[in-house]
Amino acid sequence: QKEVEQNSGPLSVPEGAIASLNCTYSDRGSQSFFWYRQYSGKSPELIMFIYSNGDKEDGRFTAQLNKASQYVSLLIRDSQPSDSATYLCAALSSNTGKLIFGQGTTLQVKP
Amino acid sequence: EPEVTQTPSHQVTQMGQEVILRCVPISNHLYFYWYRQILGQKVEFLVSFYNNEISEKSEIFDDQFSVERPDGSNFTLKIRSTKLEDSAMYFCACSTVSYNEQFFGPGTRLTVL
Repeated sequence: QKEVEQNSGPLSVPEGAIASLNCTYSDRGSQSFFWYRQYSGKSPELIMFIYSNGDKEDGRFTAQLNKASQYVSLLIRDSQPSDSATYLCAALSSNTGKLIFGQGTTLQVKP
Repeated sequence: EPEVTQTPSHQVTQMGQEVILRCVPISNHLYFYWYRQILGQKVEFLVSFYNNEISEKSEIFDDQFSVERPDGSNFTLKIRSTKLEDSAMYFCACSTVSYNEQFFGPGTRLTVL
């Protein structure tokens, strides 16, 4: 069974701090990984994706991938109260586009 | 900015009734997907669709479910005989190619009574 695991949290950080969100996956064949943000009652909103080992930066967000450890992370710098949401990690499971999602980590950024 | 749209936003139905959920994907996207999210649970893959055919479907996507692209713009999910456990948010998504990022619509909240 291919799985993606996340700590459900909540992860609480003060405004301006770095938030670190982590994800592990079971299928070594997964090649691409996606981070989505989901506000309560809303749909997943794409933040960024990564498919190469190492870091990928986009504004305040940095995704990190370590395929040997089957580990993906998302760093949010200068966290803002508006970043408070659930962050979903997803692995591309097959060449048909099937995404396997983790249960999400709830982030709370306190002013 | 192009976006995925879904109608209706909320559908209430009686158990055993048929429902059709509609999606208009982004115009130059060729791969289409349906996911569902039961309240408080993970987003779950239902089906992927390309070139007017199902590419992959999950165990959830049984004979009660079907998908169609009836007119080249809409992408529909039909549930023939709804069950209580079908109550969930249903999200349509699309991508330009199967290994690229997927963009999600706002979802349809299905409530089966």
